Amino acid sequence: DGGITQSPKYLFRKEGQNVTLSCEQNLNHDAMYWYRQDPGQGLRLIYYSQIVNDFQKGDIAEGYSVSREKKESFPLTVTSAQKNPTAFYLCASVDGGVSSYNEQFFGPGTRLTVL
Amino acid sequence: QKEVEQDPGPLSVPEGAIVSLNCTYSNSAFQYFMWYRQYSRKGPELLMYTYSSGNKEDGRFTAQVDKSSKYISLFIRDSQPSDSATYLCAHTQGGSEKLVFGKGMKLTVNP
Repeated sequence: DGGITQSPKYLFRKEGQNVTLSCEQNLNHDAMYWYRQDPGQGLRLIYYSQIVNDFQKGDIAEGYSVSREKKESFPLTVTSAQKNPTAFYLCASVDGGVSSYNEQFFGPGTRLTVL
Repeated sequence: QKEVEQDPGPLSVPEGAIVSLNCTYSNSAFQYFMWYRQYSRKGPELLMYTYSSGNKEDGRFTAQVDKSSKYISLFIRDSQPSDSATYLCAHTQGGSEKLVFGKGMKLTVNP
């Protein structure tokens, strides 16, 4: 089945540690996104990538880093510089396209908790 | 002014009620308007989308866009306990895939 997988489902981090969240898609989508969701805050865009080896900062990129070495993979690293990383992280992908709407498909999410 | 405003609720209704969820937006360049449904501890899934102004119906769900007042609505008829979820509105200009989300409204339908 085609879809987006995120791992792990739950992640615990000690203060000062870097952690990497995995996002893989087999939909052959060009663009991939990382969002952070906090209670009552909706989804906020962290980083996005429209093609391999290229990515752009979203609205809240500070303290995060990404890479896009393969079309199907878009890992997110939460660094120790992110002061309040406890949140629900969602990865999404979209087929691309120039002028028409394309649905964003979301993964199941990773819940990160700082101990 | 935030690009998208959505009352986060929560909203609790009895089974069978008609539910109205609303968002307002400020960017007149938005062309595509979406409603995503998110069950607890899951990723959002697209429920409906509309292009420009007008209504779109899908079963018990109706999405309505009024571009003149920058107002979008989602109506749920004959609400069911399985409709209990968080509903997020989202908008995009289209040429760019970047979506702008509302905060999400948590809906509970009580049996």
